[in-house]
Amino acid sequence: DQQVKQNSPSLSVQEGRISILNCDYTNSMFDYFLWYKKYPAEGPTFLISISSIKDKNEDGRFTVFLNKSAKHLSLHIVPSQPGDSAVYFCAASYSSGSARQLTFGSGTQLTVLP
Amino acid sequence: DGGITQSPKYLFRKEGQNVTLSCEQNLNHDAMYWYRQDPGQGLRLIYYSQIVNDFQKGDIAEGYSVSREKKESFPLTVTSAQKNPTAFYLCASSSLGGGYTFGSGTRLTVV
Repeated sequence: DQQVKQNSPSLSVQEGRISILNCDYTNSMFDYFLWYKKYPAEGPTFLISISSIKDKNEDGRFTVFLNKSAKHLSLHIVPSQPGDSAVYFCAASYSSGSARQLTFGSGTQLTVLP
Repeated sequence: DGGITQSPKYLFRKEGQNVTLSCEQNLNHDAMYWYRQDPGQGLRLIYYSQIVNDFQKGDIAEGYSVSREKKESFPLTVTSAQKNPTAFYLCASSSLGGGYTFGSGTRLTVV
């Protein structure tokens, strides 16, 4: 049973427009959410995170929104650039012992067209 | 520069053989993790370790083994019992309560 779901395997947007990547989760114990970006044959790199006490976090062109009642989060990229083309993974965690374990979604391939 | 290193980048294994993937970090992180990525799927947790000489099974531990004899090192052995070992393997580390730093991955192919 997937606890973190990214229902769109792919997304294409025009350069300069907004990219919106979505993620849903089922475990209400999750209290920390992250987005990672991954290029082929490389490890994921951290992009942005949000704690469950917030509903929005912004970092430059990237904004993450959290809707706890809907168990939904989204990543907005504005404006989108060709270098943003990558696979984006949503991840969620909750405090359990001394280290957080991340549960990942299946990823969304974003393609930004020039 | 601090980081996490996985080696080799590409690995080929014959059926029936065990193979060990290396993961080393110099970030002084306590926790280390192994994930597997398959096409169209997310990252699935194989094993994790929060402290030296201790490790726990993740969601898909069958056919894998690990050791954590040193804080810096968390090698993963893919045994012959793993039915479908061809995949991209990612190692990660984190400080207590912190975010993950990932290695660049090892692509394992069974020939």
